[in-house]
Amino acid sequence: DIQMTQSPSSVSASVGDRVTINCRASQDISRWLAWYQQKPGKAPKLLIYAASSLQGGVPSRFSATESGTNFTLTISSLQPEDLATYYCQQAYSFPITFGQGTRLYIK
Amino acid sequence: EVQLSEFGGGLIQPGGSLRVSCAASGFTFSTYAMSWFRQAPGKGPEWVSDISGSGDNTNYADSVKGRFTISRDNSKNTLYLQMNGLRDDDTAIYYCAKTKASGGRDWFDSWGQGTLVTVSS
Repeated sequence: DIQMTQSPSSVSASVGDRVTINCRASQDISRWLAWYQQKPGKAPKLLIYAASSLQGGVPSRFSATESGTNFTLTISSLQPEDLATYYCQQAYSFPITFGQGTRLYIK
Repeated sequence: EVQLSEFGGGLIQPGGSLRVSCAASGFTFSTYAMSWFRQAPGKGPEWVSDISGSGDNTNYADSVKGRFTISRDNSKNTLYLQMNGLRDDDTAIYYCAKTKASGGRDWFDSWGQGTLVTVSS
């Protein structure tokens, strides 16, 4: 199985800050990566697919990049509604696997 | 508007069986692969199983292989997950999700609200 390792496990930032979340795959997954946002009590929401494509309706402050087996999600200017846990997910091969999550707190 | 609604969860004893369902609307159900995910309390999402649009191809996580069966009824726009031999560690919220692209089996742009399955004596 492909292991997805996220860092940090939690991050605290102020409104307006730039926030980055990292995800590393245990093997080459090309661009078969998605990012999700999950708010408490809700289902995950697709933010980014194919490593860097923004899902429709997602604010443009969210962006993502890829470099080899390393992937990064960036929130350019943190907003209060971004309080959530963020997960990366690989779709290169079954079983589909997720990172362990990054919990984002607002200072 | 795409809508997914799971139902059928509940409290079940270890070793028991349960079938959860997912009613879909707002898209051409038969042309999209569908997946089940679950999320245990305080944990991240875990992919459980997927099924092709036609229903003739399925995949399972090792943790449920041989115990769970995914199926679909395209005439009823409904997805199912039959769970047998339930164990304590199957306790979770179970979500159904639709793949973003017709024919794709990769990322998931619509999720239901989830149904809670609790396995306990």
